[in-house]
Amino acid sequence: QVQLVQSGAEVKKPGASVKVSCKASGYIFTTYYMHWVRQAPGQGLEWMGIINPSGGSTRYAQKLQGRVTVTSDTSTSTVYMELSSLKSEDTAVYYCARDYGSGSFYLFYWGQGTLVTVSS
Amino acid sequence: SSELTQDPAVSVALGQTVRITCQGDSLRSYYASWYQQKPGQAPVLVIYGNNNRPSGIPDRFSGSYSGDTASLTITGAQAEDEADYYCDSRDSTGNHGVFGGGTKLTVL
Repeated sequence: QVQLVQSGAEVKKPGASVKVSCKASGYIFTTYYMHWVRQAPGQGLEWMGIINPSGGSTRYAQKLQGRVTVTSDTSTSTVYMELSSLKSEDTAVYYCARDYGSGSFYLFYWGQGTLVTVSS
Repeated sequence: SSELTQDPAVSVALGQTVRITCQGDSLRSYYASWYQQKPGQAPVLVIYGNNNRPSGIPDRFSGSYSGDTASLTITGAQAEDEADYYCDSRDSTGNHGVFGGGTKLTVL
């Protein structure tokens, strides 16, 4: 069965960077695009970006362009999301979510979420 | 426009039918998907594309479209359907995702 297992919670200071991992299993890793979505406390969902694990092409939300980088490692079936120049507003639960296919934007499977807290 | 607009809150009596809407210009070009999220849990896909349900989603959930509006209908709402519901689609460029603000469904 498809599983997306994310790395554990992080606490970072403003200005620092954070890198969250998402290890996929149960399917052919390079066949399906992966998205990152975040949710600030008590707020709605926010789409962050998408990666084609086969080749590594990416697209990012304009709001985060320049601060977010999504990469993939096909040898370990893992996708990474790195967010730099952290601000308190970046405090959120970060989710990876597998696409239905090649960029359908239907998010079929979700990781368990990773809480990132930005605090001085 | 890259925005999807949802009503913040909707309520329904147990066993009745409720419709949750999502409005945005991009919905004239792209299908939406709908997600159910309960407190402390990751979202779950309940409807995608042209009224498709993933395996395991009850058939009381259905989707429809009219112009720039997508709708999620729950026919015969159950207590366990009480949750936040989010729509999702592409922005007007088709290259980025965008979520609606979410609708909190209360089952009375």
